[in-house]
Parts: sequence; C-alpha cells; structure tokens
Amino acid sequence: AQSVTQLDSQVPVFEEAPVELRCNYSSSVSVYLFWYVQYPNQGLQLLLKYLSGSTLVKGINGFEAEFNKSQTSFHLRKPSVHISDTAEYFCAVSGTDSWGKLQFGAGTQVVVTP
Amino acid sequence: DSGVTQTPKHLITATGQRVTLRCSPRSGDLSVYWYQQSLDQGLQFLIQYYNGEERAKGNILERFSAQQFPDLHSELNLSSLELGDSALYFCASSVDGQAVYEQYFGPGTRLTVT
Repeated sequence: AQSVTQLDSQVPVFEEAPVELRCNYSSSVSVYLFWYVQYPNQGLQLLLKYLSGSTLVKGINGFEAEFNKSQTSFHLRKPSVHISDTAEYFCAVSGTDSWGKLQFGAGTQVVVTP
Repeated sequence: DSGVTQTPKHLITATGQRVTLRCSPRSGDLSVYWYQQSLDQGLQFLIQYYNGEERAKGNILERFSAQQFPDLHSELNLSSLELGDSALYFCASSVDGQAVYEQYFGPGTRLTVT
C-alpha cells in the first residue's frame, strides 16, 4: 500500500515569487508519482508525472518536480507564479504493480496575491 | 475540457434514498475510475473498471456499487444514503488501466444528502 503526505495545507505567495509544494510518500514497492491541480469548481488536471528516468520532471504551465528516492519526496516548484495559479494542488502516488489506482495527498491550497 | 462527461452536475436528495451517477469516458478510453472528494476524507479512490470488468477496489462502501457497460460508460449507484455521503464524486478515464497512462478527470457530480 502507498500513502502520501503533503506537508503544507495552505501556501500563500505573492505574484511573480517562487513557490514550492512539498510531498512525501511511502510505499513498499516502486511507484509512479503525479501532481494534479484543481481550479475552483473544476475537475483535476494533470500537471506532471514521474514514471522513470530523469528525476527532474517538467510539466505544464511552467511547473517542475524533482523525484528524490532516498528522501521519498516529490516536491513541486514554479519559479514565478501568476494569479491564475491560485488553486488546490494534489500529489498522488500509484504502485507500479497496482493498476491505475491513485492514492492522493490531502492537497495544498495555493493562494497567489498581487 | 477533459472529454469526460458526468451527469448530473448537482444532486440533492434525502437520507435513505438511492441515486445513480453517470460517467462517459473520453472517446477511446477503456478504463474508468471513480473517486470521492469530501472535506473530512479528502480524495479517495473508490473503484476502477477496465473494458467492462472490475480491476481495482478502494474504500468503497457496501452500499455503493458500480458497473461499466458495453459502450464503456459507467454508473455509480449509491443507496441508503447518509449525510456523510455528501461529497463531490469524480469519474476519470484512461486509455488503458495501467498506472502509466494519464487519468482524465470529469467535472464531478456534487451530491448533497439532506
């Protein structure tokens, strides 16, 4: 079984400042890792995913994440945020042996202010 | 627009009642997933179907059941509803049932049990 911990429930950030959202996972098997974004009153949209290979993964909208196996982390970063990045962000994990079942973290609400 | 459609968008019903939520996957996608999002439980995986067959089961209550039809649409049936079943129910689809394939989420059905 897998579990995900998102270390911050809310992250306030000023426009054009960098942001980092922290995610730690635990699993007894190899994993795939994902970051999803949920804008108000919408479904989830995939930002990026780590399946294998390079530990630095680039996604949509200027986001990137780094997989750190030794620290079991998959932190999400963006060097300069916009007002439109205000949303809830979810880290998710799936075991490589467990079909498509996603285990989500509790989410991090990002609030970008001018 | 993810291409996944869910109906209805909102549903208000009373305790003890039964409801059916419907999901149409993206064209060509064979796998359908159901997730529940609530304030106290967060985002939880309920169940996955692949080409009509159940593939994975999560924290789905016995009062809940689902199926995927030959045309690949899926229905989630919730019965003997309780106040705690009030939540946003998401359907997602992917081209295959393996975790490597991106899941596309629908806009959700908001269920309110009064």
